[in-house]
Amino acid sequence: SAVISQKPSRDICQRGTSLTIQCQVDSQVTMMFWYRQQPGQSLTLIATANQGSEATYESGFVIDKFPISRPNLTFSTLTVSNMSPEDSSIYLCSVRGLVLGGLGTEAFFGQGTRLTVV
Amino acid sequence: AQKVTQAQTEISVVEKEDVTLDCVYETRDTTYYLFWYKQPPSGELVFLIRRNSFDEQNEISGRYSWNFQKSTSSFNFTITASQVVDSAVYFCALSEVGVSGGSNYKLTFGKGTLLTVNP
Repeated sequence: SAVISQKPSRDICQRGTSLTIQCQVDSQVTMMFWYRQQPGQSLTLIATANQGSEATYESGFVIDKFPISRPNLTFSTLTVSNMSPEDSSIYLCSVRGLVLGGLGTEAFFGQGTRLTVV
Repeated sequence: AQKVTQAQTEISVVEKEDVTLDCVYETRDTTYYLFWYKQPPSGELVFLIRRNSFDEQNEISGRYSWNFQKSTSSFNFTITASQVVDSAVYFCALSEVGVSGGSNYKLTFGKGTLLTVNP
């Protein structure tokens, strides 16, 4: 399996500020995704992070609020901008498809970033 | 559109009991993948199993077993002789396959089932 390191693991932020979450994978992967899990809820896809181009956002999520970067096949960032208490959630990075093979169609997740906005 | 339904919001059992978590899915695709994940209180998502839609063999891994019934669009998960450490939220998820072979698609998650195993 791929080892995914997500930072920070948790943070408490003031409303109106922004937080950038990093996702580092120990192997090159085809696909990287960002999910949000609001308290007591299931996971919802925010966007697919595309290497070298703009991310593909799901309905209800926009680039101005959740800018995403993916400069290479092992790293991506998600920024939560102009935060409000409604953004308090767990944000998870997910990867699929090892470039060099072996991971197949499994989908693995980072340990998540637990964000609280006050 | 794809949909995953986990009708059981919460289940509480006593240690050593067997417990089955239900998962029913909807998709128009003829080929797809199904997943189960465990999310303990610490929050990370632990991969348990992935199943192809064209492989209906049931699978057993230690105390865990999965029953895939394509005819009823169900992919149920049974824990035998449950333990306190099994206490977690369990998510069932569904993914398309697509022309690229399956790794390029997002997962659609059910709402999860909170399992509490009491000593």
